[in-house]
Amino acid sequence: GQNIDQPTEMTATEGAIVQINCTYQTSGFNGLFWYQQHAGEAPTFLSYNVLDGLEEKGRFSSFLSRSKGYSYLLLKELQMKDSASYLCAVRDSDYQLIWGAGTKLIIKP
Amino acid sequence: DTAVSQTPKYLVTQMGNDKSIKCEQNLGHDTMYWYKQDSKKFLKIMFSYNNKELIINETVPNRFSPKSPDKAHLNLHINSLELGDSAVYFCASSQDGTNSGANVLTFGAGSRLTVL
Repeated sequence: GQNIDQPTEMTATEGAIVQINCTYQTSGFNGLFWYQQHAGEAPTFLSYNVLDGLEEKGRFSSFLSRSKGYSYLLLKELQMKDSASYLCAVRDSDYQLIWGAGTKLIIKP
Repeated sequence: DTAVSQTPKYLVTQMGNDKSIKCEQNLGHDTMYWYKQDSKKFLKIMFSYNNKELIINETVPNRFSPKSPDKAHLNLHINSLELGDSAVYFCASSQDGTNSGANVLTFGAGSRLTVL
C-alpha cells in the first residue's frame, strides 16, 4: 500500500527553527508537495520538489531525497502565525496525490 | 476576490437527506476537484474533473455525484446522507489536468458537513 508518514504534532519556540519530516512509500514518484493548513481553513501551497536537494523560499525550505523516500520542511525564524498543520503529499506513478495526515505545529512565545 | 469559493460553509442535516455543496473558481483553471477531509485530517480525493474527463475515486459511494454546469463550477450532490459522511469537504482547482510541473492546487475554504 501507499503511505505517507509525518509526526502528528511538534512544538517549537518563536524565533527558533523547526524541521518537519515526511517519509513516503508510494507506487512511483512524480513530485512531493508541502501545504500549510491553518485550523478551520483551506490548505495553501508552500513548496514542490521533484529533484533531490533543497528548495529555498524565504523562511521556508524543503528538501527531498528520492532514494530515501524522505523529505523535510524547514521553517526558520518562527512566528506565531506559523502555528498550523503542515501536509506532505506525494504524486505517485498514476499522478495521483497521496496525502499525509499532517503535522500540527504549535509555536510558543 | 475569492479564488475558489464554496457554499455553504457549514451544513447540518439529518440522516437520509439529500444535500448539495456548490463550488466556483474564478482562476480560469481547467481542472476542479472534490476532497474529503475526515476527523483524522487525511485529505482524500473524491473526484477530479475537467472539460474532457471525470475521474472518480472508486472508493467513493455512488451516493456522491459531481455536477459541472461549466468549467468554473463543480457542485457536489450527496444522496441519502449517512453518519459517516460527516467531514469537511474541500473543493480545489488547478491550472490544468496535465501531470507536468507542480500543478498546484488552490483550495476553497471548506464545507463542514454534520450528519445527525
